[in-house]
Amino acid sequence: GQQLNQSPQSMFIQEGEDVSMNCTSSSIFNTWLWYKQDPGEGPVLLIALYKAGELTSNGRLTAQFGITRKDSFLNISASIPSDVGIYFCAGLNTGFQKLVFGTGTRLLVSP
Amino acid sequence: SQTIHQWPATLVQPVGSPLSLECTVEGTSNPNLYWYRQAAGRGLQLLFYSVGIGQISSEVPQNLSASRPQDRQFILSSKKLLLSDSGFYLCAWRVAWSNTGELFFGEGSRLTVL
Repeated sequence: GQQLNQSPQSMFIQEGEDVSMNCTSSSIFNTWLWYKQDPGEGPVLLIALYKAGELTSNGRLTAQFGITRKDSFLNISASIPSDVGIYFCAGLNTGFQKLVFGTGTRLLVSP
Repeated sequence: SQTIHQWPATLVQPVGSPLSLECTVEGTSNPNLYWYRQAAGRGLQLLFYSVGIGQISSEVPQNLSASRPQDRQFILSSKKLLLSDSGFYLCAWRVAWSNTGELFFGEGSRLTVL
């Protein structure tokens, strides 16, 4: 099955540092989303992007929809311990109504 | 408000035994429904999705099957489990034919096949 490539696979940072992660695909998507998953729970939506080139913020999170529609980026500024979790990108092809997830980036934050 | 529930939350099954995981959505009509599997430390793999009753799209050939007998009910089944079927199974729904893309997940079902 199709899966999007995310990097880095994992990150271990100090509290207060900024974080960047990205997601690439061989296919074009017309919607990109970023989710966060806490241990033992389902993912929760953080940011949704609907237009190529779009830059959207949600508090300390900023995400961008790549101009080629084949990639997306997520930045977290001034990280805090509760940012710990797995971050997933997801691409939606509305024509086929399926949402494909990335491989995930595991974030650990040291106080 | 809309809710999604799946059960059982935890399941330990022997190899070769059958499987049935159930998911129901309340508070919405004609949702798109999805089954994902997450192996330990891995990403979310789309297994099946459905845009209507009796309509199932399979993403990965395997010994699992899905059915949608009612509008808001989605069932994941297997006749004979394999060790590789172990994982965290997540059911999800979204508004049909919506461009927003937001997916709402259930609590998950952790399956261990021994």
